Amino acid sequence: GQNIDQPTEMTATEGAIVQINCTYQTSGFNGLFWYQQHAGEAPTFLSYNVLDGLEEKGRFSSFLSRSKGYSYLLLKELQMKDSASYLCAVRDPILTGGGNKLTFGTGTQLKVEL
Amino acid sequence: SAVISQKPSRDICQRGTSLTIQCQVDSQVTMMFWYRQQPGQSLTLIATANQGSEATYESGFVIDKFPISRPNLTFSTLTVSNMSPEDSSIYLCSVLQERGIGGELFFGEGSRLTVL
Repeated sequence: GQNIDQPTEMTATEGAIVQINCTYQTSGFNGLFWYQQHAGEAPTFLSYNVLDGLEEKGRFSSFLSRSKGYSYLLLKELQMKDSASYLCAVRDPILTGGGNKLTFGTGTQLKVEL
Repeated sequence: SAVISQKPSRDICQRGTSLTIQCQVDSQVTMMFWYRQQPGQSLTLIATANQGSEATYESGFVIDKFPISRPNLTFSTLTVSNMSPEDSSIYLCSVLQERGIGGELFFGEGSRLTVL
């Protein structure tokens, strides 16, 4: 099984940088996803890390350390529209037959203030 | 990216009744999933909808309560049977599109059910 931990909520200022952490304890691992979910809407894909290191996509970056069971999502130049829930999800290893199953964390509610 | 249509988008249901949610994808996909998101909670996988065979259910979910159909590679249904207020949730259809070494999971807009 997978155990995924994220902070429940965070507050940051418009224009600033915020880092949302995610730690996981798993019996296997085949990648980590970050999703953004605005209230009342479906989750939308932000990033996917399967190798150690930093993946950058515009204002959003995601980092993974497999040895530490740790990832973070970095949001730069925060905008009010970035206020949303950010979900960390771990993909099961293919060898167990559940290679396409994602287990989601409880999400981090980010509030961006002026 | 896959475009996923779900209906109904929302419904108010009476206790003891059943409701079927439909999911239509604009392209053929191998993997389709049904998730539940209870109020204030994260997403929980209900089952994997397998084309041409019975769905694979996660722990805590059973076929009698959540029967699933997958008649082809673009369509699936989830039925929530004999509903109780505890079934009030958003139900999300999702599909996996493989991209290189990884894949991207796309979600439908969700079906928000309120059970009275």
